[in-house]
Amino acid sequence: DGGITQSPKYLFRKEGQNVTLSCEQNLNHDAMYWYRQDPGQGLRLIYYSQIVNDFQKGDIAEGYSVSREKKESFPLTVTSAQKNPTAFYLCASSSTGQSYEQYFGPGTRLTVT
Amino acid sequence: DAKTTQPTSMDCAEGRAANLPCNHSTISGNEYVYWYRQIHSQGPQYIIHGLKNNETNEMASLIITEDRKSSTLILPHATLRDTAVYYCIVRPGAGSYQLTFGKGTKLSVIP
Repeated sequence: DGGITQSPKYLFRKEGQNVTLSCEQNLNHDAMYWYRQDPGQGLRLIYYSQIVNDFQKGDIAEGYSVSREKKESFPLTVTSAQKNPTAFYLCASSSTGQSYEQYFGPGTRLTVT
Repeated sequence: DAKTTQPTSMDCAEGRAANLPCNHSTISGNEYVYWYRQIHSQGPQYIIHGLKNNETNEMASLIITEDRKSSTLILPHATLRDTAVYYCIVRPGAGSYQLTFGKGTKLSVIP
């Protein structure tokens, strides 16, 4: 089946630890995205990548890092510098061009205590 | 990017048409209107998008006013599974890949 996978679905970490969230897609999409969602809020863009080995900061990149070494993969690291890391994290991918839609993964719910 | 305004919540009877409005009065000529929905604790799902003309697919219809300052998403026969938060998003055309999600409209389909 074509789609986007995120793992794990739930993740628990202690404060001060870095944690890496996985995102893989087999849709052959060039662009990939990471969003954060807090309870009752819309999605906010953390980072996006339009092509392998290139990525740009979104609206709330502080405390996060990404890499894009392969077209299929776009892992997100939540560092200890992120002040409020507990949230629902969503990965998406899309083709590029004039008009497109983003396909989203099922999300990872991260809890840091 | 143009800002959108949506009602916070709406109810719809099961089997009836659900009409979800969106105001985007500052939209530019090259900006598309996208609709997504998010069922609780899942990733958002793409529904439909359009530029100027009305659009229809297997999920919904999108009606855009002639001045493009507002649009309506229509779910022709709402079911309980359509209960979700619906997001109306305006995005520029080529060269911009970001989607800006507001708080959306919480649609509750009532049995």
